[in-house]
Amino acid sequence: SYILTQPPSMSVAPGKTARITCGGNNIGFKSVHWYQQKSGQAPVLVISFNSDRPSGIPERFSGSNSGNTAALTISRVEAGDEADYYCQVWDSSSDHRVFGGGTKLTVL
Amino acid sequence: QVHLVQSGPEVKKPGASVKVSCKTSGYTFTSYGVSWVRQVPGHGLEWMGWISGYNGKSKNAQKLQGRLTMTSDTSTSTAYMELRNLRSDDAAVYYCTRVDLPAAGLFDYWGQGTLVTVSS
Repeated sequence: SYILTQPPSMSVAPGKTARITCGGNNIGFKSVHWYQQKSGQAPVLVISFNSDRPSGIPERFSGSNSGNTAALTISRVEAGDEADYYCQVWDSSSDHRVFGGGTKLTVL
Repeated sequence: QVHLVQSGPEVKKPGASVKVSCKTSGYTFTSYGVSWVRQVPGHGLEWMGWISGYNGKSKNAQKLQGRLTMTSDTSTSTAYMELRNLRSDDAAVYYCTRVDLPAAGLFDYWGQGTLVTVSS
């Protein structure tokens, strides 16, 4: 089955930029979606189809996808961005939807 | 506004079954699907399967084949997930999500989650 690899954790100071990666074999050929999950809450979609922002998501959130790595970039990080972030794709070969292991973002 | 409202927490014994409901509103049920995702507390998200609101066709994750049944009732815009022969490692928060058709690859709205405890 298709595997997505994320760093388990990362930390960033307020006002700086966080870049969370999601690795997968030729992931650049797939559509990647990103979800934010704050403590005790359900996940929220923050980036769809590699780089689209759903309504209500700040412009500080952006996405990219090329080669074997997709990335979620959060600019001008705020304390409220502290959360777990998950990437997700549809693996057409198995017809399974796959999540990365998640990255815990800590705002210092 | 799109809403997915799930049934309340459940406590089950090993070997029993659990059925969780997901009542949707704010959109045309038959134009989307519903997917189920679970999360063991402190761990990541695991996709379980999805069901089409259009024709009731479903797809299970391979590891749950034989134990998971997903159904839907278009008259009430409600989806159901039943997991049988529960084990201790099935203890988790179960989420329903709206998914796009036909690929069902994007989870754009989520329910609040249902905690299922499995304990003897």
